[in-house]
Amino acid sequence: DSGVTQTPKHLITATGQRVTLRCSPRSGDLSVYWYQQSLDQGLQFLIQYYNGEERAKGNILERFSAQQFPDLHSELNLSSLELGDSALYFCASSVGGGVNQPQHFGDGTRLSIL
Amino acid sequence: QQQVKQSPQSLIVQKGGIPIINCAYENTAFDYFPWYQQFPGKGPALLIAIRPDVSEKKEGRFTISFNKSAKQFSLHIMDSQPGDSATYFCAASKSADKLIFGTGTRLQVFP
Repeated sequence: DSGVTQTPKHLITATGQRVTLRCSPRSGDLSVYWYQQSLDQGLQFLIQYYNGEERAKGNILERFSAQQFPDLHSELNLSSLELGDSALYFCASSVGGGVNQPQHFGDGTRLSIL
Repeated sequence: QQQVKQSPQSLIVQKGGIPIINCAYENTAFDYFPWYQQFPGKGPALLIAIRPDVSEKKEGRFTISFNKSAKQFSLHIMDSQPGDSATYFCAASKSADKLIFGTGTRLQVFP
């Protein structure tokens, strides 16, 4: 058990809809990362937050947004969903703070767009 | 320059064999190289990581070899077991930056 909790485990919705994925980091971790895992693109970094502030941005679409709350949990919002957004979405957390610290992953949310 | 190239795509070994997975990178600013193991239905789990000032690191049956001049690093699994059957990902990052993952290697270890 990595200590990172993601909910829900599975999400099935339709094109055009909006969903919110939630992540609770490990106790004491200040950084949260979001990754997308698809068969054709592999594991792709989306966005990182550190202590409530956006720290780094990767291949995140404009239809996607994220935030980290004062209690350090994070949410990834996906809107105007397309078939191609079907993927596994992982959250990872680390101590953060500007040095390399191991990132620990949750078990992901599987998003299926019908 | 941000890519990490991983090979092979899949690997089949018998129990006790030593599977070797290779990764190569271009960005010399990368300073952290972790390996992750992923089982079906689970998130990637950190196995072992190395920094470029070290040429080899061992943790149990897992060894990372690092060649800074060639910009390559590899994972060796000693005395492999059926329970090691999983997908393995190498990754690289610069300081606290995002992880750039390789494409993964699916390992099957047969009894």
